[in-house]
Amino acid sequence: NAGVTQTPKFRVLKTGQSMTLLCAQDMNHEYMYWYRQDPGMGLRLIHYSVGEGTTAKGEVPDGYNVSRLKKQNFLLGLESAAPSQTSVYFCASRRIEGYEQYFGPGTRLTVT
Amino acid sequence: DAKTTQPPSMDCAEGRAANLPCNHSTISGNEYVYWYRQIHSQGPQYIIHGLKNNETNEMASLIITEDRKSSTLILPHATLRDTAVYYCIALNYGGSQGNLIFGKGTKLSVKP
Repeated sequence: NAGVTQTPKFRVLKTGQSMTLLCAQDMNHEYMYWYRQDPGMGLRLIHYSVGEGTTAKGEVPDGYNVSRLKKQNFLLGLESAAPSQTSVYFCASRRIEGYEQYFGPGTRLTVT
Repeated sequence: DAKTTQPPSMDCAEGRAANLPCNHSTISGNEYVYWYRQIHSQGPQYIIHGLKNNETNEMASLIITEDRKSSTLILPHATLRDTAVYYCIALNYGGSQGNLIFGKGTKLSVKP
């Protein structure tokens, strides 16, 4: 099992450009999450999904959109990137029954 | 979810037990205590969780005080690879969709 994978690992964007981050999990987990982590800080929840076709806002959703068209994939979109979105983005997933979240390796995004 | 308080940093000698404290004085009866760690630049890793009783697994032990206002994560024989930021999180299963709220955690440095 690959667990939780994230694509790409690194990306540099110019202000105003758009991009999509892909998260994939092969554990058949129902719940999926997107977090961001700024230097010296803990993770903050952007959006999450409790199942295929559903999404919900987390603590810091502004400037991001998400989609969960397939159970195994959770996409995070930035429509018009801003320097404030420079961060490391982590995806996670979990089963319905257990509350332990399994995290991906992260995507390091720089917006110039 | 209850707020948790952790010391910002701790040192531990390699081979000795690392005892990481967490204060959660406002924790409610149905909130669990979860511990995660984040090794530099990687995604967080689940360690252990508990409600009232002490818990042990292959990674660590969790000691929760009888009044549940504090807990201690114990790494019995710390190695250099245990150097990481450790997060203590109080989690209400029912009210939060299992969403984790990360603070700044404790940076544990294991020294040779």
